[in-house]
Amino acid sequence: EAQVTQNPRYLITVTGKKLTVTCSQNMNHEYMSWYRQDPGLGLRQIYYSMNVEVTDKGDVPEGYKVSRKEKRNFPLILESPSPNQTSLYFCASSLSGDPSSYEQYFGPGTRLTVT
Amino acid sequence: LAKTTQPISMDSYEGQEVNITCSHNNIATNDYITWYQQFPSQGPRFIIQGYKTKVTNEVASLFIPADRKSSTLSLPRVSLSDTAVYYCLVGVGYKLSFGAGTTVTVRA
Repeated sequence: EAQVTQNPRYLITVTGKKLTVTCSQNMNHEYMSWYRQDPGLGLRQIYYSMNVEVTDKGDVPEGYKVSRKEKRNFPLILESPSPNQTSLYFCASSLSGDPSSYEQYFGPGTRLTVT
Repeated sequence: LAKTTQPISMDSYEGQEVNITCSHNNIATNDYITWYQQFPSQGPRFIIQGYKTKVTNEVASLFIPADRKSSTLSLPRVSLSDTAVYYCLVGVGYKLSFGAGTTVTVRA
């Protein structure tokens, strides 16, 4: 089954404790992206990747890191989480390097709470 | 990325047609118009995409006038399960963000 998976689905952590949220897709998609969703703000893009080893900042990259060493994986790293990073996070992928003209497939989401 | 404006919320009843209009006055020549649907605590799901005129699939229709400065997503005969947030995206390229979307509530 074609899908985007994220782990963990739920995470409660403390300020400053490094964490990684994994994202994997099995569709051989070139493009992958991370979004965060907060009430009333819709989904805001954190980072995106056009292909292996090619990443760039979205609208809200501060406090996050990403890497794309393999085509299927795009982990999101929070080196020193803070409470304002408490949010619902979504990973997405699309076939083309231009996601505006191709359908994006979204993962199930990761609900992160930083205390 | 072209700025989009959608109504914040809409109410409807089962069996009615729901039309959501998205304004995108500064749409560029190469921009596509894409709509996504999101249920609570789930990731958005692609509904439909178009460039001009009318596009129809098994879920919805998308109407785009000749000037392309707006678009209308039409959901025929909605049911309670169509209650969701609907997002309009316009743009070309890698950087994408979704606005607040339109919350559609379908009542029995």
